[in-house]
Amino acid sequence: EPEVTQTPSHQVTQMGQEVILRCVPISNHLYFYWYRQILGQKVEFLVSFYNNEISEKSEIFDDRFSVERPDGSNFTLKIRSTKLEDSAMYFCASSVRETNEQYFGPGTRLTVT
Amino acid sequence: AQKVTQAQTEISVVEKEDVTLDCVYETRDTTYYLFWYKQPPSGELVFLIRRNSFDEQNEISGRYSWNFQKSTSSFNFTITASQVVDSAVYFCALSVGGSNYKLTFGKGTLLTVNP
Repeated sequence: EPEVTQTPSHQVTQMGQEVILRCVPISNHLYFYWYRQILGQKVEFLVSFYNNEISEKSEIFDDRFSVERPDGSNFTLKIRSTKLEDSAMYFCASSVRETNEQYFGPGTRLTVT
Repeated sequence: AQKVTQAQTEISVVEKEDVTLDCVYETRDTTYYLFWYKQPPSGELVFLIRRNSFDEQNEISGRYSWNFQKSTSSFNFTITASQVVDSAVYFCALSVGGSNYKLTFGKGTLLTVNP
């Protein structure tokens, strides 16, 4: 069964550094998303992406964040100048159509020290 | 703005008991979609069900059932004859066209099923 994959599973970085989180969505899906979950809290929307453009972004997705689909399979989230409060689990998700269910990857745990 | 409320923070039951997880949503859109996701201790988010706002039929899938009532803006989830493997955090979520169908999640309900 097709699934969303994410790498790495855990990323540790020092404050101020840049990180890139990688995702491979399900192959026939057209809509891509990033969410984050701070430990013990609810899942929060970061950004949605369709047709090589950002469809919507949340207040969390500030100028330090960017997304890219560099080729036909990968979908990346870049965070520049990381802060301690960026520490969270980051989930990638994809869906066939925007109204359909989103399938989530296993997540990348980002720890900023 | 959209909002999802899961008033039950934690529920603890004994195996084989039935348990209902509550979800109340708020939206001004007439077309919307409701979802339930399961997050087991391993951390992944597992899709369980999707309903659209025009389909109020209740749904049953094995030991799982869902009750959607527009009149009370609720989309409750019942597990019948609970099992230890049902222990997880369960999230209710809402998507609407006015927000590009992003998922708005509730805070989740931690269900612990004890043997």
